[in-house]
Amino acid sequence: QKEVEQDPGPLSVPEGAIVSLNCTYSNSAFQYFMWYRQYSRKGPELLMYTYSSGNKEDGRFTAQVDKSSKYISLFIRDSQPSDSATYLCAMKTGANSKLTFGKGITLSVRP
Amino acid sequence: DTGVSQNPRHKITKRGQNVTFRCDPISEHNRLYWYRQTLGQGPEFLTYFQNEAQLEKSRLLSDRFSAERPKGSFSTLEIQRTEQGDSAMYLCASSLTQGSYQETQYFGPGTRLLVL
Repeated sequence: QKEVEQDPGPLSVPEGAIVSLNCTYSNSAFQYFMWYRQYSRKGPELLMYTYSSGNKEDGRFTAQVDKSSKYISLFIRDSQPSDSATYLCAMKTGANSKLTFGKGITLSVRP
Repeated sequence: DTGVSQNPRHKITKRGQNVTFRCDPISEHNRLYWYRQTLGQGPEFLTYFQNEAQLEKSRLLSDRFSAERPKGSFSTLEIQRTEQGDSAMYLCASSLTQGSYQETQYFGPGTRLLVL
C-alpha cells in the first residue's frame, strides 16, 4: 500500500462545475499538506498549503484536511478551462522535509 | 526569470551512456531537492541538499546515480550506465528554510530523459 493514495482519473467536467479532488494517507506522521498543479510537460506549482485540520480558502480554491480520517480534499469552484491540468496532493512529516506525492489526477474542464 | 532552472530540458541517450543534468535553484535558497516522475505517477523523492551537504538519499537512488552541490548553489545529477527504466522526468526543487512551517518547495520545469 502506498503512503498516499489519490482518487484515480481522469476527470472531465463542464465549465462552471464544482470539482472535488481527494487523497487519503496512511502515515500518521504527515503534518503538512499541499496541493500542486502541474500543466503538461511543466514542473508542479504550489496551489495550497495547510498545516492543521480544517478548511483553508484562496479564491476559487478550498483545501480541507481531516487528520482524524487521514483525508484531504481540494475543491475548485466555478471551474474554468484554464484549470485543466494534473493535480497532485503532497505531504510531509516535518516543516522542512521531503514531499511525498499522490499519483495525481488529470482534470479537464470543458468550455 | 528568477525561478528554478534546469538544463537540458530534454535528453535522449542510448542505454549504457552516462548523462548529467543541472539545476540552478532560486538565488539564496539553501535547500535543493531532486525528484523523479514517471508517466502517470507523482514525483518521487531522490535526494536533497542543505547548502552543499547531501543530507538524505532515497533507496531509489542506486549506485549509478550521484548528485552534487559543490558550492551550495547549483546542483548536478549524474546517471551512469543508463537503463531504459531510467526514462523519466527529473525534477529539481529549491526552498528557503528559516524555521517557518511554511517551507515551500519551488519546482523547475524538469529534464525529460529518454533512454533508448
